[in-house]
Amino acid sequence: SAVISQKPSRDICQRGTSLTIQCQVDSQVTMMFWYRQQPGQSLTLIATANQGSEATYESGFVIDKFPISRPNLTFSTLTVSNMSPEDSSIYLCSGNREEGGTIYFGEGSWLTVV
Amino acid sequence: AQSVAQPEDQVNVAEGNPLTVKCTYSVSGNPYLFWYVQYPNRGLQFLLKYITGDNLVKGSYGFEAEFNKSQTSFHLKKPSALVSDSALYFCAVRDRYSGAGSYQLTFGKGTKLSVIP
Repeated sequence: SAVISQKPSRDICQRGTSLTIQCQVDSQVTMMFWYRQQPGQSLTLIATANQGSEATYESGFVIDKFPISRPNLTFSTLTVSNMSPEDSSIYLCSGNREEGGTIYFGEGSWLTVV
Repeated sequence: AQSVAQPEDQVNVAEGNPLTVKCTYSVSGNPYLFWYVQYPNRGLQFLLKYITGDNLVKGSYGFEAEFNKSQTSFHLKKPSALVSDSALYFCAVRDRYSGAGSYQLTFGKGTKLSVIP
């Protein structure tokens, strides 16, 4: 399985602030993705992180709110901007190694906005 | 559009008994199907997948799943449940022909499995 590590693992954030989550994957991962899991809910894809270019966002997610970078093959960041309590979620970094291959997930970053 | 249904929010089973967690899917083409497990306060762990070939897929921790194309189902099974299997289980689907630029997995809402000692 792919090795995917995220930090922070947990944080409590003040309303109106921004937080950047970092994700490091092993060198065999080709595609990287960011998902959100709201409390008691399933997972929703936020965006595909593209190396050296703008991320590809899914419907309902915008770059101003969730800027994503992927400066190299094995590292990506997700920023949750101008947070509100509705942003309290688990944010999961994920990746796969080949077309159609298994998507593996990190342990998630558990954010609580107060 | 692709979708996944997990009709049961919760499944309770006695330790040692067989367990089944149900999943049905809808895709326009042929599916890639996955099961993941989420233990409390943890991320998602991959259990097994169906890509092609044998309809019965074996995965981690003694779990298996049967792909049934006519019923568009991919139920997760285990012959003998353990208390440690208690967790949240997610079924996910991707259309095999959704294109090289689209890797979106669509997840079901999850089924909470409780194995009772």
